[in-house]
Amino acid sequence: DAGVTQSPTHLIKTRGQQVTLRCSPISGHKSVSWYQQVLGQGPQFIFQYYEKEERGRGNFPDRFSARQFPNYSSELNVNALLLGDSALYLCASSFSDGAEAFFGQGTRLTVV
Amino acid sequence: KQEVTQIPAALSVPEGENLVLNCSFTDSAIYNLQWFRQDPGKGLTSLLLIQSSQREQTSGRLNASLDKSSGRSTLYIAASQPGDSATYLCAAGSGGSYIPTFGRGTSLIVHP
Repeated sequence: DAGVTQSPTHLIKTRGQQVTLRCSPISGHKSVSWYQQVLGQGPQFIFQYYEKEERGRGNFPDRFSARQFPNYSSELNVNALLLGDSALYLCASSFSDGAEAFFGQGTRLTVV
Repeated sequence: KQEVTQIPAALSVPEGENLVLNCSFTDSAIYNLQWFRQDPGKGLTSLLLIQSSQREQTSGRLNASLDKSSGRSTLYIAASQPGDSATYLCAAGSGGSYIPTFGRGTSLIVHP
């Protein structure tokens, strides 16, 4: 079975632009979470979706938004990009609340 | 608010040593604790998951323990190998939202 897949793997954007990151969970997993990881830090929680409903939102500005589709895949959107948005964006899926989380390889976003 | 601390921040050991990585959390009302490995620039690989009702989990040369009352978890790596070199992260899941809080990780180097 395929693991969590994220696309693209790398991305370079200019300040002020918008970006969409995509995540496909492990088959059968209904929960998807997004994290931002800057160099030297642990992942910071951005969003969690379960059964297509937002379950939680971290301390990120409204420029960040996400959604989950009927097939449980998910997109993370970031508008009006800032240099500080440069980071590794990680997606994790789990079968249910509180179950083991499995992560994708991440999308490296560089804002110039 | 849950806070997770990992000590030491960095560790360098010769091959063959047994070692212990520490993870402490402030809110003992956790539902699980998960240990991950992260290679540079890559996503997180799940190593061990300990549910709140469990005291320890083992996988190969890895053993993780959980002491909720003291707010601590340890990851024991036996007979370390150069291939174990990576950053090790722990994540404590707590609260009704099932959102894990990560530590900043321990960077491990095992030299031949």
